[in-house]
Amino acid sequence: AQSVSQHNHHVILSEAASLELGCNYSYGGTVNLFWYVQYPGQHLQLLLKYFSGDPLVKGIKGFEAEFIKSKFSFNLRKPSVQWSDTAEYFCAVSGSARQLTFGSGTQLTVLP
Amino acid sequence: KAGVTQTPRYLIKTRGQQVTLSCSPISGHRSVSWYQQTPGQGLQFLFEYFSETQRNKGNFPGRFSGRQFSNSRSEMNVSTLELGDSALYLCASSAVAGGADTQYFGPGTRLTVL
Repeated sequence: AQSVSQHNHHVILSEAASLELGCNYSYGGTVNLFWYVQYPGQHLQLLLKYFSGDPLVKGIKGFEAEFIKSKFSFNLRKPSVQWSDTAEYFCAVSGSARQLTFGSGTQLTVLP
Repeated sequence: KAGVTQTPRYLIKTRGQQVTLSCSPISGHRSVSWYQQTPGQGLQFLFEYFSETQRNKGNFPGRFSGRQFSNSRSEMNVSTLELGDSALYLCASSAVAGGADTQYFGPGTRLTVL
């Protein structure tokens, strides 16, 4: 069975600080990897995704993630966070089926 | 394109009742998946429908069921509601049949069971 671990449950940063959120997955086959964001009161939105090819993927709002196959990781990064990035971030994986398995989420609070 | 829509947005029910939630996918999307989001269990997969057929099912009791219509709209039904069914129920749609495609989520239906 596939599983996803997000080790940081709550991250607090000041504006302009750099961000890295960890995501590790367990799956025996070819994986598709996603980061979704849930802003307060809003629905889940796709930040970025990795299916194949260049392991460094860029998403919306300046976010990027790197797929490291040997480490089973797909960490999310942003060089300089803004107050508006305050949200909950979810890493997710799918395999041959379309079913998404989500991590437990990381609540990011950015202080102005 | 309009996004995924879900109705109703909020529901309050009492234990033992049943409830039906509705989801309209993005135009042209043929796959609809349902997820339950709770503070304790996080986001959990319920089931997925494609071309009116259930393709995949998560680890939920038989009280949770769904269906998909020929226009790809989907409904989810929960019978004999329990307090633990209080959650945000999310619907997601995707365009293609296969693993490598993206699911787009609706705003959810907030179900409260009293």
